[in-house]
Amino acid sequence: DTGVSQNPRHKITKRGQNVTFRCDPISEHNRLYWYRQTLGQGPEFLTYFQNEAQLEKSRLLSDRFSAERPKGSFSTLEIQRTEQGDSAMYLCASSLEFGETQYFGPGTRLLVL
Amino acid sequence: DAKTTQPNSMESNEEEPVHLPCNHSTISGTDYIHWYRQLPSQGPEYVIHGLTSNVNNRMASLAIAEDRKSSTLILHRATLRDAAVYYCILRDAALFGNEKLTFGTGTRLTIIP
Repeated sequence: DTGVSQNPRHKITKRGQNVTFRCDPISEHNRLYWYRQTLGQGPEFLTYFQNEAQLEKSRLLSDRFSAERPKGSFSTLEIQRTEQGDSAMYLCASSLEFGETQYFGPGTRLLVL
Repeated sequence: DAKTTQPNSMESNEEEPVHLPCNHSTISGTDYIHWYRQLPSQGPEYVIHGLTSNVNNRMASLAIAEDRKSSTLILHRATLRDAAVYYCILRDAALFGNEKLTFGTGTRLTIIP
């Protein structure tokens, strides 16, 4: 039984560069979520997908952020023109259905210099 | 979303029971009480959830007050691997489409050998 996987686990980039993260959910989970966590805080919701449809986006998700889930399988989160304030842990989670337990991946830690 | 209040930190001795409190005085009738924990350098992990009755699983027990305005997560015999940040989260099951988990800052549990 493989859990949620995320790649890369760590990313260091320079301000202004674009970065892309990948999340592979648990097989057959149709819900996929992205959260962001800064130091000392709990995770904050960014967006979620039901299959390939992106159904909700937080106000935290600025125009520089875009998420996709082609074919309802893996998902990517891209940040364009990164800023130092984007430095955080980006967490992905998946669940089987609405209201079911969300299973989290290990996260991608982003550092913007 | 209804708000939860937890102590910032707690300590417990190894092999002793741990009682982690959570106050949620504005809980609604359809709010489920969820507990997740986050071990160092990992994504959050589901622990347990309940609505009105006390709940037990292999990881922990959840004791819910009769008026539902507070709950307690009970770890029956703490080990060093239980050192983590524990989050108490309310999730309204009546709001279809309310997919996100709203994390607070949680309780950092330290286990003393």
